[in-house]
Amino acid sequence: EPEVTQTPSHQVTQMGQEVILRCVPISNHLYFYWYRQILGQKVEFLVSFYNNEISEKSEIFDDQFSVERPDGSNFTLKIRSTKLEDSAMYFCASRETGPSLSGYTFGSGTRLTVV
Amino acid sequence: GDSVTQMEGPVTLSEEAFLTINCTYTATGYPSLFWYVQYPGEGLQLLLKATKADDKGSNKGFEATYRKETTSFHLEKGSVQVSDSAVYFCALSDRNNNDMRFGAGTRLTVKP
Repeated sequence: EPEVTQTPSHQVTQMGQEVILRCVPISNHLYFYWYRQILGQKVEFLVSFYNNEISEKSEIFDDQFSVERPDGSNFTLKIRSTKLEDSAMYFCASRETGPSLSGYTFGSGTRLTVV
Repeated sequence: GDSVTQMEGPVTLSEEAFLTINCTYTATGYPSLFWYVQYPGEGLQLLLKATKADDKGSNKGFEATYRKETTSFHLEKGSVQVSDSAVYFCALSDRNNNDMRFGAGTRLTVKP
């Protein structure tokens, strides 16, 4: 069964450093998403991406965040200058075009720890 | 904006007990409704879904019915197993499957 792949599974970084979280969506999917889950809290929407541009972003997704699809397969989330409160599990998701009964397919997540 | 509110846990049950996790939604249109499950150390997996009123989603013994009159999508299972221990998230999206939004999650622990 096709799956969304995220790397790394766990990243530890020092405050102020830049991190890039990587995702390989399902190959025929065209909509991509990043969500964040701070430990023990709800899953929060960060950003959606379609046709090589951001289609929607939440208030969490401020100037320190950016997304990119550098090639035909990867979808990355960059955090420019990490803060302690960026520590969370970051989930990538993708879906097919148009209404889809299958919902979103999520990756297993990257646990980011900022120290 | 559209949102879901779900029963906060944690919920602890004995094996073979009946499970209900409440979920209600607020939406301006006609959303699609989902339950996702997150097993320890893993990502989010789609458990079941319903796209219109009175639809019943079901999978692995879990069921949820889309109730427009009560704006609810409660998750039920007649007999839980230890392996059902996980966090369960109610979610909705708009009709075009955009804007997926999650509830706070309910942690279920099933004891032998």
